[in-house]
Amino acid sequence: AQKITQTQPGMFVQEKEAVTLDCTYDTSDPSYGLFWYKQPSSGEMIFLIYQGSYDQQNATEGRYSLNFQKARKSANLVISASQLGDSAMYFCAMQTGANNLFFGTGTRLTVIP
Amino acid sequence: DSGVTQTPKHLITATGQRVTLRCSPRSGDLSVYWYQQSLDQGLQFLIQYYNGEERAKGNILERFSAQQFPDLHSELNLSSLELGDSALYFCASSVGDLADYNEQFFGPGTRLTVL
Repeated sequence: AQKITQTQPGMFVQEKEAVTLDCTYDTSDPSYGLFWYKQPSSGEMIFLIYQGSYDQQNATEGRYSLNFQKARKSANLVISASQLGDSAMYFCAMQTGANNLFFGTGTRLTVIP
Repeated sequence: DSGVTQTPKHLITATGQRVTLRCSPRSGDLSVYWYQQSLDQGLQFLIQYYNGEERAKGNILERFSAQQFPDLHSELNLSSLELGDSALYFCASSVGDLADYNEQFFGPGTRLTVL
């Protein structure tokens, strides 16, 4: 069975600082994909970054990077140089095989000016 | 803007009624997914279609049904509505099928309120 755990219901970060949002997962499938999505207060879900289980390098997309530690089954999102517009809910999600995307419960990030 | 469109944005209806939510995927995307986001259940996968065929089913109630048309747009039909069906319903699309691990691009959602 798939399981995604986001243990931080809420996080605060000072503007321009970096922040790490935690995500751990559990699966027995050797092939899987890990995704992060952002949901601002307006409600839409915005795709941020993807990491495949066989990828050797950590994924990066602009200010977003994914700290992938396969042995620990963690896929933490790192946001560098936080901006006020980064305040939102962040969801970690996993997909295994031909199964659907399974989401964690999310972390609410608040960027303080 | 993800390129996925959903209509309507808001829908208010009464218990027992039936509604239809509509989704147009991004140009070129063959897969359409439906999700329900509620406060108590979080974000839950409902159903996926790929090029007109149902491919995967999640926690979709029997009162709910969906289809994908030849032009690839999709509709989610919710019937015999209950108060607990009030939620944000998302449509997402991707280029390939589920096994391709393509990122899914989400529409803006339809907020359904059942009174």
